[in-house]
Amino acid sequence: EAGVTQSPRYAVLQEGQAVSFWCDPISGHDTLYWYQQPRDQGPQLLVYFRDEAVIDNSQLPSDRFSAVRPKGTNSTLKIQSAKQGDTATYLCASSFWVGGKNTLYFGAGTRLSVL
Amino acid sequence: EQQVQQSPASLVLQEAENAELQCSFSIFTNQVQWFYQRPGGRLVSLLYNPSGTKQSGRLTSTTVIKERRSSLHISSSQITDSGTYLCAMEDTNAYKVIFGKGTHLHVLP
Repeated sequence: EAGVTQSPRYAVLQEGQAVSFWCDPISGHDTLYWYQQPRDQGPQLLVYFRDEAVIDNSQLPSDRFSAVRPKGTNSTLKIQSAKQGDTATYLCASSFWVGGKNTLYFGAGTRLSVL
Repeated sequence: EQQVQQSPASLVLQEAENAELQCSFSIFTNQVQWFYQRPGGRLVSLLYNPSGTKQSGRLTSTTVIKERRSSLHISSSQITDSGTYLCAMEDTNAYKVIFGKGTHLHVLP
């Protein structure tokens, strides 16, 4: 089966610019996660969806970040006005509960540098 | 507050030595997973171990939920085992998957 696909792989911005990240999860996975992974740190959850509904976005900086999953399949994460502190890798993962297990499958990530 | 803590932060081994990685957590969970990540690479699930001991090849994980800890043992380490090992768990109260900061493993020839 195809894995989780993310694009672009890299993005370089000046502060104040906008950027969008796109994620295509594994077909049939109802849950989709966006994580931010600063260099040499573990992934930090930004937002996650079950189908098209946002389940938790409490860690998403709502003034500049937004995320949608309109049809419960692909998802877009947008940064409206990037800051240097947003420099990180943005990871998308999808999952589906089977047999009491909720295993996450990750995409390759988008590495963002804000200058 | 770091809800999932991993130790050591980094570990250097000679090839063929064994490694013991620890994960402790303060949240309620029954879903514990271990992931591996090469530098610049994607996270790959290694083991799913909500309780007891699970083995996959040279990897053995032991989880004691009552004591809120999980460990990952790597036997006979190889140079290709180098990378970052992360533990993750689902917070059953908040239904979200939380990661530790990882253990960076370097295996030298």
